[in-house]
Amino acid sequence: GENVEQHPSTLSVQEGDSAVIKCTYSDSASNYFPWYKQELGKGPQLIIDIRSNVGEKKDQRIAVTLNKTAKHFSLHITETQPEDSAVYFCAASSNSGYSTLTFGKGTMLLVSP
Amino acid sequence: NAGVMQNPRHLVRRRGQEARLRCSPMKGHSHVYWYRQLPEEGLKFMVYLQKENIIDESGMPKERFSAEFPKEGPSILRIQQVVRGDSAAYFCASSRGGADTQYFGPGTRLTVL
Repeated sequence: GENVEQHPSTLSVQEGDSAVIKCTYSDSASNYFPWYKQELGKGPQLIIDIRSNVGEKKDQRIAVTLNKTAKHFSLHITETQPEDSAVYFCAASSNSGYSTLTFGKGTMLLVSP
Repeated sequence: NAGVMQNPRHLVRRRGQEARLRCSPMKGHSHVYWYRQLPEEGLKFMVYLQKENIIDESGMPKERFSAEFPKEGPSILRIQQVVRGDSAAYFCASSRGGADTQYFGPGTRLTVL
């Protein structure tokens, strides 16, 4: 089955800096890659997703890049703010008919003012 | 437009009791997924259901766990004879179609004493 590795497990940055979180996956059939943000005591919230027919997608301060050859994808957050502090999860699925997501173990991002 | 709803938000059970977790999908969504999150871990897929059908239960423990999504009413995840190892956060997600974006509920945090 699919296996998703996520790094780093914790990331501390200063407000205004950029943050990058990286994930690798094992199943070459995977073609859908969402990113979720989870705040303490809450459910995961989708922040951006990418499908395998594109290499990059941006939404304001957030971008995701995908390298299907190397089987890795990354989340980039620019101009970080304290409210970006949360746990971020990457996920992958094969999306063939239906998608059951395989998640990475998460990255705790701490943005200091 | 209400999001995915889960109840109860917190559930405490003693070993050997039964736990029932409920999930109401977003309006217009007929696909439900259940995931379990252990402390310091990512989310693990348990089961995928459509109305009145279990489509994929490959992540569900073989014993004590069952799930349903009846024609009317919420999806139910049922854990019989709970053990301490069942303590976790249980999240439900819903989607419009099988390959569409999954939106998560706030979760039920189960504590087994």
